[in-house]
Amino acid sequence: GDSVTQMEGPVTLSEEAFLTINCTYTATGYPSLFWYVQYPGEGLQLLLKATKADDKGSNKGFEATYRKETTSFHLEKGSVQVSDSAVYFCALSEYGNKLVFGAGTILRVKS
Amino acid sequence: EAGVVQSPRYKIIEKKQPVAFWCNPISGHNTLYWYLQNLGQGPELLIRYENEEAVDDSQLPKDRFSAERLKGVDSTLKIQPAELGDSAVYLCASSLGGVGFGTGELFFGEGSRLTVL
Repeated sequence: GDSVTQMEGPVTLSEEAFLTINCTYTATGYPSLFWYVQYPGEGLQLLLKATKADDKGSNKGFEATYRKETTSFHLEKGSVQVSDSAVYFCALSEYGNKLVFGAGTILRVKS
Repeated sequence: EAGVVQSPRYKIIEKKQPVAFWCNPISGHNTLYWYLQNLGQGPELLIRYENEEAVDDSQLPKDRFSAERLKGVDSTLKIQPAELGDSAVYLCASSLGGVGFGTGELFFGEGSRLTVL
């Protein structure tokens, strides 16, 4: 079945550091890919998405590119802030009916 | 616009007791999801509704879990009897159509954290 694998956390960075959170997926077809974020005390919310190969999703300074050849959708940000501290979930949807999530990666940004 | 509202936020019960969680989706969202999130893991789908019809309940443990969505709006998820392993966060989400429709975005509530003693 479909699955998503994320790098284990927690990831601890200093403010203004470069962020990469790795995500790879397994699917039988060509899924849509998503990054969701969960800030402390809040519900999950969509951060960005890509629906086909080579698409780049971007939002709030975060980016991720859909790489079919490596089945990856790594999340990047050039300069993280303390306010980016959260749990980040990579997810896929293959048939448009449900999201399959990775285990989540905790990001901690220190000032 | 109000988001997805869930209650209670926290519930502590003894094993073998029943428990119920309530969800009010965003107005106009016809698709409603219940997800289970165990500690340190990503959410896993329990059941998906299109209006009042459960269209995917393949992951719902039907021996002890039940759900309903009367009139296609609010939904209730029930566990009876609860077991120790049911301790988790129960998430409700809603969307305009399925994930592949429109923006593909699901809107999540803050979740209901269950502790079974």
